[in-house]
Amino acid sequence: QSALTQPASVSGSPGQSITISCTGTSSDVGGYNYVSWYQQHPGKAPKLMIYEVSNRPSGVSNRFSGSKSGNTASLTISGLQAEDEADFYCSSYTSGTTLYVFGTGTKVTVL
Amino acid sequence: QVQLQESGPGLVKPSETLSLTCDVSGYFIRSGYYWGWIRQPPGKGLEWIGSMYHSGSTYYNPSLKSRVTISVDTSKNQFSLKLSSVTAADTAVYYCARGTVAIPFDYWGQGTLVTVSS
Repeated sequence: QSALTQPASVSGSPGQSITISCTGTSSDVGGYNYVSWYQQHPGKAPKLMIYEVSNRPSGVSNRFSGSKSGNTASLTISGLQAEDEADFYCSSYTSGTTLYVFGTGTKVTVL
Repeated sequence: QVQLQESGPGLVKPSETLSLTCDVSGYFIRSGYYWGWIRQPPGKGLEWIGSMYHSGSTYYNPSLKSRVTISVDTSKNQFSLKLSSVTAADTAVYYCARGTVAIPFDYWGQGTLVTVSS
């Protein structure tokens, strides 16, 4: 079971928009609308930001949005803020006896 | 409010078995959801270890399957992780979490660091 592929780092200036990609296969990202995204600040537990590709849990800013095309999912952060600086991980449901697979992680830096 | 809290030894010797427990409050495990474990080696990414459905069905990461056991104790409203024959590569922060197929991990514990060393 291979990890989903994410860029190691993405950066942007305050107020800008950035997009993080998450590439898998037809057995995970491409096969199901069960992609989720997590934000993790240093020393903290991950926090669910997006589920089912594009849904936001209650309390998550609408500056965070998700989408999917084929085997690649994306997380867009608009109006970038200093507090958005963190690591982001995608996750997908996957077929077979394995349930979930995580992405490799992306460090977001606010310049 | 659902809360999860990991507990267990912070230091385990090589070749021994790592054992952790996750205490759940604010929700009865037997009522539903998947209950799982995720780990994160220092400075590295997240790795799903395995999950158990409230009914008892278990699912494990194939890379760890031969060494992992996840079990649940509904009387104590807690679930556990056992990882056998540990090596230094198993040193990580271990998280417990709740989820569904659609929302894999909506509530997380704070995490506990387990170091494998003699």
